[in-house]
Amino acid sequence: EPEVTQTPSHQVTQMGQEVILRCVPISNHLYFYWYRQILGQKVEFLVSFYNNEISEKSEIFDDQFSVERPDGSNFTLKIRSTKLEDSAMYFCASSEINNQHQHFGDGTRLSIL
Amino acid sequence: AQSVAQPEDQVNVAEGNPLTVKCTYSVSGNPYLFWYVQYPNRGLQFLLKYITGDNLVKGSYGFEAEFNKSQTSFHLKKPSALVSDSALYFCAVRDNTDKLIFGTGTRLQVFP
Repeated sequence: EPEVTQTPSHQVTQMGQEVILRCVPISNHLYFYWYRQILGQKVEFLVSFYNNEISEKSEIFDDQFSVERPDGSNFTLKIRSTKLEDSAMYFCASSEINNQHQHFGDGTRLSIL
Repeated sequence: AQSVAQPEDQVNVAEGNPLTVKCTYSVSGNPYLFWYVQYPNRGLQFLLKYITGDNLVKGSYGFEAEFNKSQTSFHLKKPSALVSDSALYFCAVRDNTDKLIFGTGTRLQVFP
């Protein structure tokens, strides 16, 4: 079964540095998402992306965050100047159409020092 | 605002016994409801969904869930639990926007 793949599995970054988390969604999917899960807390929506633009974003997704689909396969989340509270597990997801279930990757654990 | 509640942090059940993991929701309009499972150091794996149609939905690994509109519930069930079912289970709701809203998760422990 096709999978959503995320790299790296673990990223350690100094506070204030930029970080880019990478995702390869399932190839025929059109809708892309980022979620995060702070340790011990629930999974929270960050942003959805369709047709090369953001379709919805949460209040967490402030000016420090951006997403991009630089080519036909990758979907990236950039955090410009990381803060300690950005430490979390970040999940990428994709779906074929927007009323089907979303397929999740295994996540990138981001640790900010 | 849309929300999902999973009232139990943990559910313990003996192998071979039936299990229920509870979920209630609040959403305007017709709900799209989902169950996902998370194993350690893994992402969320889709189990089943309710979009429309029959209130009893069957999913992966022998799980099923019953949509109850009057009680705004979508409890996850399995007739006979396995030790390998031990994991973290998330209920989620989606209305007419893209995003999934997750509950806080319920840890299922199945004892041999």
